[in-house]
Amino acid sequence: KQEVTQIPAALSVPEGENLVLNCSFTDSAIYNLQWFRQDPGKGLTSLLLIQSSQREQTSGRLNASLDKSSGRSTLYIAASQPGDSATYLCAVPAQGAQKLVFGQGTRLTINP
Amino acid sequence: DAGITQSPRHKVTETGTPVTLRCHQTENHRYMYWYRQDPGHGLRLIHYSYGVKDTDKGEVSDGYSVSRSKTEDFLLTLESATSSQTSVYFCAITSGANTGELFFGEGSRLTVL
Repeated sequence: KQEVTQIPAALSVPEGENLVLNCSFTDSAIYNLQWFRQDPGKGLTSLLLIQSSQREQTSGRLNASLDKSSGRSTLYIAASQPGDSATYLCAVPAQGAQKLVFGQGTRLTINP
Repeated sequence: DAGITQSPRHKVTETGTPVTLRCHQTENHRYMYWYRQDPGHGLRLIHYSYGVKDTDKGEVSDGYSVSRSKTEDFLLTLESATSSQTSVYFCAITSGANTGELFFGEGSRLTVL
């Protein structure tokens, strides 16, 4: 059974810092991994989708990496801003099932 | 933004009443999902659909039913609402269950008194 873990559960950093969010999964036979952002009271917004054949995916100040063999993905945020404050979730497809398995998320606070 | 509309966005109802939430998409995606999100539990899958009239249960399907008579609409019904079903409900869609990007609606906040 696929399980997804995100550590830490919460992170608070000053504005301008570069930071890394972690996501680990137990079954490395995945097709892809997706990172989402959720603002309070809102739905989830897709940030990046990394296919299993890729090692990295970039969008603006965000860079996501994928290491299938070790069951890990990281989301790197450069030059953090207060507007980056949100909960970040990662998700991978469940084996043998037509659905995603989500981590519990990391609640990020960027302090001005 | 993916064309997903959830309705109603907010609803307050009483225990024992039926409730139907609607998810409408304009993307013609095959797969549609209903999740609920609760503090301490994260996102939990209720039901999903892999085509018109094709649905399956998720991990928390008890007390819920779904229907999909058209590609664009996926309905979630609480036959007799209970206070434990107070939650935020999210619809999601994708073109490929294991390969495609998943897009979420804005959510429907349901309060059962």
